[in-house]
Amino acid sequence: DAKTTQPTSMDCAEGRAANLPCNHSTISGNEYVYWYRQIHSQGPQYIIHGLKNNETNEMASLIITEDRKSSTLILPHATLRDTAVYYCIVRWDTDKLIFGTGTRLQVFP
Amino acid sequence: GAVVSQHPSRVICKSGTSVKIECRSLDFQATTMFWYRQFPKQSLMLMATSNEGSKATYEQGVEKDKFLINHASLTLSTLTVTSAHPEDSSFYICSARDQGVSTDTQYFGPGTRLTVL
Repeated sequence: DAKTTQPTSMDCAEGRAANLPCNHSTISGNEYVYWYRQIHSQGPQYIIHGLKNNETNEMASLIITEDRKSSTLILPHATLRDTAVYYCIVRWDTDKLIFGTGTRLQVFP
Repeated sequence: GAVVSQHPSRVICKSGTSVKIECRSLDFQATTMFWYRQFPKQSLMLMATSNEGSKATYEQGVEKDKFLINHASLTLSTLTVTSAHPEDSSFYICSARDQGVSTDTQYFGPGTRLTVL
């Protein structure tokens, strides 16, 4: 099972882009990269996922390197409500999501 | 995204009693649901995988006789914490797998905070 490495914490100014990195150097060819976030005392919220192409939706963009060993989640214009713990997960087995420790993103005014 | 609900959102019970938590997928059918537990300042820990119409699969170290899981329909899974003790106090979160034609994503419920006195 591929594991992920994320920085423990990051800060970002409101209105600026937040770029959250994730390392998954042992990812295998058929494993997807998923991003979730958890705001305090709530269930995780799905953000985006991808296999090898870059993806974009209304919440964020996901940039996956060509060798697929790392990815970056981009929140284009961070707001205070984006303050949360962000989890990068490589899905292994058929359907399990195993959570690591994530990155605590603090957006400041 | 798809909506998953949990009930109750918060429960306080006495030691030795059993508590049932419901997880529902509101706008999609889920043959597979998952139950997680989260202690303060820690990440989510997968407890078990719930499959509709069959027995749940428990992660190593999770007591199946203590955490009873039933997935009787495509939109409902229940977790019963039997003979609860203070150390079972935690934030319990479920997720449901949405496997559509063009999607395969898990959506999470809002969580249930259990406090055992």
